Amino acid sequence: QQQVKQSPQSLIVQKGGISIINCAYENTAFDYFPWYQQFPGKGPALLIAIRPDVSEKKEGRFTISFNKSAKQFSLHIMDSQPGDSATYFCAVTQGYQKVTFGTGTKLQVIP
Amino acid sequence: NAGVTQTPKFQVLKTGQSMTLQCAQDMNHEYMSWYRQDPGMGLRLIHYSVGAGITDQGEVPNGYNVSRSTTEDFPLRLLSAAPSQTSVYFCASRRQGPYGYTFGSGTRLTVV
Repeated sequence: QQQVKQSPQSLIVQKGGISIINCAYENTAFDYFPWYQQFPGKGPALLIAIRPDVSEKKEGRFTISFNKSAKQFSLHIMDSQPGDSATYFCAVTQGYQKVTFGTGTKLQVIP
Repeated sequence: NAGVTQTPKFQVLKTGQSMTLQCAQDMNHEYMSWYRQDPGMGLRLIHYSVGAGITDQGEVPNGYNVSRSTTEDFPLRLLSAAPSQTSVYFCASRRQGPYGYTFGSGTRLTVV
């Protein structure tokens, strides 16, 4: 079964706008929630991550919002730039071992 | 600092051939994993290892073998290549604990 559901599949945002990508999970034992950014032809790179004892984490223009009761977490990209155009993956981890990825969101930021 | 190094970057195989995808990391990470990436399906875990001598299956292990004789190396073996194994393969490593993965640059494999 799909352990993490990511939406939307694709997203087009104007430069300067806010990009929002959502992930939902079922297993309450998950204990680490990272987001990865992948540019074409490259491997994914860790962008930002959060643990379930925190409701929000911000690093520059990137923010993770975490809702433990709803079993959802989201990535917000403020002041989106064309250089942010990439595919974004959420992931969930249990026991700091297996990492399961969402299906990805292709973000396009248009000038 | 090299990080995670994967070789080869590209490979074309004929159905039934076998080959080994190489992965090496120089960060002394305990955990290493192999993922395959297919359009619309995200990254799917093939095999993973939590330390030298310890490996386990992920969600799509059939047709693949791994071994972990050293902390640094984690090769992935395709036993008898099939067209369904056409994909981009990523090796990744991370430290023990709540840390993210460092990924290699990938191997694009085509099976004809």
